[in-house]
Amino acid sequence: DAGITQSPRHKVTETGTPVTLRCHQTENHRYMYWYRQDPGHGLRLIHYSYGVKDTDKGEVSDGYSVSRSKTEDFLLTLESATSSQTSVYFCAIGQEFYEQYFGPGTRLTVT
Amino acid sequence: GNSVTQMEGPVTLSEEAFLTINCTYTATGYPSLFWYVQYPGEGLQLLLKATKADDKGSNKGFEATYRKETTSFHLEKGSVQVSDSAVYFCALSGPNTGNQFYFGTGTSLTVIP
Repeated sequence: DAGITQSPRHKVTETGTPVTLRCHQTENHRYMYWYRQDPGHGLRLIHYSYGVKDTDKGEVSDGYSVSRSKTEDFLLTLESATSSQTSVYFCAIGQEFYEQYFGPGTRLTVT
Repeated sequence: GNSVTQMEGPVTLSEEAFLTINCTYTATGYPSLFWYVQYPGEGLQLLLKATKADDKGSNKGFEATYRKETTSFHLEKGSVQVSDSAVYFCALSGPNTGNQFYFGTGTSLTVIP
């Protein structure tokens, strides 16, 4: 299995609070991705990174920001969490358009 | 644009039944095609892939053939087991997708003894 960890694995937070999710890899892959998974929508791309300090928006980027200061870490921040951001968040890594490898996910609940 | 369409679920089969999960795609150029599997409470795992037309990907008894003429990549297994119960995602990526992956919405499979 690819070395990808996500933290925290579960989080409950209140509306309006900031939240940061962390993805850490030990594979030295260039690309890192953040997805959210919701019933009926499958996986939707939030943001992705193609190198240190190089990021781009995905399909559902509103309300989210990301940062990548090191190859191994990709942070997803919800500046002011809303109930619509309750979801399961997955990080993935890959080399260009070859297969992606997924982390175990973070279940976020915004009350 | 790029997109993936999967058959709607959920699918319920008896053990040892034949499985087909349909997947069709729209893409520019020649993408690579993938099937991922997600077991309850886990992340997605790559099940199989095919990188060019007429390629057949296979793994754990599952197979899928890249059909360019019908833009399809249907997943099949001859005899399913209870342990195959999971959600299956079809996906594409390639040099014309901006290094992004496009996933279908997933098909839930339940296999009953």
